[in-house]
Amino acid sequence: GAVVSQHPSWVICKSGTSVKIECRSLDFQATTMFWYRQFPKQSLMLMATSNEGSKATYEQGVEKDKFLINHASLTLSTLTVTSAHPEDSSFYICSALDSPTDTQYFGPGTRLTVL
Amino acid sequence: GNSVTQMEGPVTLSEEAFLTINCTYTATGYPSLFWYVQYPGEGLQLLLKATKADDKGSNKGFEATYRKETTSFHLEKGSVQVSDSAVYFCALSPGGYNKLIFGAGTRLAVHP
Repeated sequence: GAVVSQHPSWVICKSGTSVKIECRSLDFQATTMFWYRQFPKQSLMLMATSNEGSKATYEQGVEKDKFLINHASLTLSTLTVTSAHPEDSSFYICSALDSPTDTQYFGPGTRLTVL
Repeated sequence: GNSVTQMEGPVTLSEEAFLTINCTYTATGYPSLFWYVQYPGEGLQLLLKATKADDKGSNKGFEATYRKETTSFHLEKGSVQVSDSAVYFCALSPGGYNKLIFGAGTRLAVHP
C-alpha cells in the first residue's frame, strides 16, 4: 500500500513555543490531506482538511490560529502548533488521500508533549 | 448528523475463536464504510471497506457487510490469531466527501 510518513515521531517542547509536524506522502501525490488528534485510548478526531494550494478547512471547535496548516506541495502538509500549552499534548496523526482509490493512508503519528 | 458507534472493549479471545465487533452508524446520504486497524506502535491501516449497500468488504480473513436496513457494518473473523491483537476502528465517509468519522475503537486481545 501507499506510504505516509510523519516527522518527528515524538517531540517535547516548553510551554509557549511552537512546534511543526510534517506529513509526507512518499509514493503518491495527495491534493488532500487530513490532520487528526487522538487522545489516549480514544478515537481520532478530525481537526482539519488540508488542500494543496488553498486554505485548510477546520472542524468546528478547532482554532485555526493555533493549529496552522500549510499544504504547499502535492506530497507535503505541515501542522504547526503555535504557543503550545500542556493541554495541546496529544498524538497527532495525518492522512493523505489517494484519489484514484479514494482511500486515506495514515501516517504513524507524532506524539507531542508540552511541559 | 454523522456518527459511528462501536461496541466497547476490550475484547479478549482465545486463539482460533470467532470474532465479532459490532458497528452501527447514522449518516445523511449514502456513506462509504471502513474498518481500520491500529497495531501496537503503528499507524492506522485500512483493513477493508464497502462503498454501497450489501457490499461485503474482506481482507486477511476479516469481513464486514454494509447493511443499510440495520445501519450496521459488523466486523467478523472466523478464527482469530494472536497477531490480530490490535485496536479496530469503524469509520464512515459521508457521501460526496472524503473526511472520515471514526468510532471510539475496540481493543482486541487474543491469547494463545
